[in-house]
Amino acid sequence: ETGVTQTPRHLVMGMTNKKSLKCEQHLGHNAMYWYKQSAKKPLELMFVYSLEERVENNSVPSRFSPECPNSSHLFLHLHTLQPEDSALYLCASSQDRWTGTSGGTYNEQFFGPGTRLTVL
Amino acid sequence: SQQGEEDPQALSIQEGENATMNCSYKTSINNLQWYRQNSGRGLVHLILIRSNEREKHSGRLRVTLDTSKKSSSLLITASRAADTASYFCATVMEYGNKLVFGAGTILRVKS
Repeated sequence: ETGVTQTPRHLVMGMTNKKSLKCEQHLGHNAMYWYKQSAKKPLELMFVYSLEERVENNSVPSRFSPECPNSSHLFLHLHTLQPEDSALYLCASSQDRWTGTSGGTYNEQFFGPGTRLTVL
Repeated sequence: SQQGEEDPQALSIQEGENATMNCSYKTSINNLQWYRQNSGRGLVHLILIRSNEREKHSGRLRVTLDTSKKSSSLLITASRAADTASYFCATVMEYGNKLVFGAGTILRVKS
């Protein structure tokens, strides 16, 4: 157990469905992340939230919509997905310290077990 | 393009042998991290080494960092079948909290 939980663990959805992935961290961290892991591709960073504010949006299609209501919870809302969106979606958290716009102490990330998403 | 690239892509060894994986990156870093992933599951953090450090140890793991060559290595000594997994290096660039992963090395330890 890493202190980061994700639900559901498996999800099968049609292209017209709307679903949400949930992540919760019990570590008191101040940053949370969504990653996508597709077969035979490096882990791709999708979104970063620091202190509940989105600080990174890695050119992700608008059919993926993140939400961070507080520092412990992170959601990824999905709608009108494509079959190529099938992948393992991983959530992570970390405790970082920022010293300005261009510096800080960045620490290890703790990952959840992932949600295996299949889009039919 | 990805920041970290691991070498080799796959490695198969006998239990008890040492396993060495290498990682190269392109731009100046704040730190470099190694993670392990068992098949289809979440990543587990192994070691973080900061740009001003050259070597770190954790149990059977030894990580080195050469910032002049922009490279790092992960050594697993006395490997066990349970070490079978994918190993990823990831870098945090000098400015920013974005962790960029390489494609990983698949390690298989045969018993």
